Parts: sequence; C-alpha cells; structure tokens
Amino acid sequence: KQEVTQIPAALSVPEGENLVLNCSFTDSAIYNLQWFRQDPGKGLTSLLLIQSSQREQTSGRLNASLDKSSGRSTLYIAASQPGDSATYLCAVRISGTYKYIFGTGTRLKVLA
Amino acid sequence: DAGITQSPRYKITETGRQVTLMCHQTWSHSYMFWYRQDLGHGLRLIYYSAAADITDKGEVPDGYVVSRSKTENFPLTLESATRSQTSVYFCASSEMYSNTEAFFGQGTRLTVV
Repeated sequence: KQEVTQIPAALSVPEGENLVLNCSFTDSAIYNLQWFRQDPGKGLTSLLLIQSSQREQTSGRLNASLDKSSGRSTLYIAASQPGDSATYLCAVRISGTYKYIFGTGTRLKVLA
Repeated sequence: DAGITQSPRYKITETGRQVTLMCHQTWSHSYMFWYRQDLGHGLRLIYYSAAADITDKGEVPDGYVVSRSKTENFPLTLESATRSQTSVYFCASSEMYSNTEAFFGQGTRLTVV
C-alpha cells in the first residue's frame, strides 16, 4: 500500500530564507508526483507536476525534484516571502490507476 | 467560467439526513474524484470516476454514493449523514492521460450535528 509522508509537519522561517520541503513515498510505481499549495479555508492549487521519467521541474522561485528509486521528492522555495505562507501538499499518482495518494502536508509560515 | 466548482460551499445538516454535494467541471476531463480532508488524516479518496457511468471506490467509500450521468457532473451523496462525516470535501478532475495535473475545487465544508 502506497504511503506518502511529509516532513516537517510545520516550519517557520524568516523572510528571504531558502527552504526545502520533503516528501517521501513507499512504492516507486508512480506515474507522477504533484505539489500543491493550500491556503486556509481554500482549495488546492497545483504548483508543479513531475512525471516519473523526469528529475525536476521549475516554476519561478519553486523547484521540485524527484528521485523515484529512493522514493523522495523535494520542493525548494527560493527567497521565501510572507505570501508563501500556506500548507504544501505532495501527491503521487499510482501506476496502473488514476488515484492520487496525498501526504499530510507541511504548514509553512514565513515571517516578515 | 472555466474550472471546477463545488456547491454548496458550506452546509450544516442533521444526523440521519441525506445530503448531496455537487461538483461541476467545464473542461470535459475524463476523470473526477471526491476526497475528504480531515485533521491528522490529510486527503483521503472517497470515490472516483473514469468516465460517465463508470465509478469506483476509493479508500473511504462507506456511507457515500456517487453517480456520473454526464461527464461534467459528479455529485456525492451522503445517504444518512453521521457526525463522523463532518469534514471538508474536495472534488477534483483530470484528463485521462497519466502525465496530466489534477485540478481541485474550492471545497465544501460539511458539518453534521
């Protein structure tokens, strides 16, 4: 059974710091991995999608990497801003199905 | 407007009542999903659908019923609501190809009293 874990559960950093969020999964048979952002009381906004054949994806200050063999993905946020404060979720799409399995998220707070 | 919309956004209902949460998407995506989000559990899949008239159970389907008579709609019905079904419910959709993103609605906050 696929399990997705995100560490740390919560993170508080000063503005301007570069930071790394971690996501690990137990079964490497995935189609892709997607990172989402969730603001309080809101839905999920897709940030980056990495296909199983890719190593990384970049969008602005965000960079996500994928190491399928070790079951790990990281989301790197450069020069963090207070507006980055949110919960970040990773989800893996299981091979052979169209199901996504989610981690429980990392709650990020960037202090001005 | 293009996108995925859920209604209602907030709902309070009594134990034992039937309640239906609506989900509508304008992209004609093949796949649609219902998740519930609870503190300490993250998002858990309730049901999903690969196409009109094709549905399948997720991790936590008990107490829920879905239907998909049209591609764009995927309602979720709680047949007899229980307090344990108090949660935030998210609908999502994606294209049929394995390398495409999933898009989520804004959620429905359901309280069962």
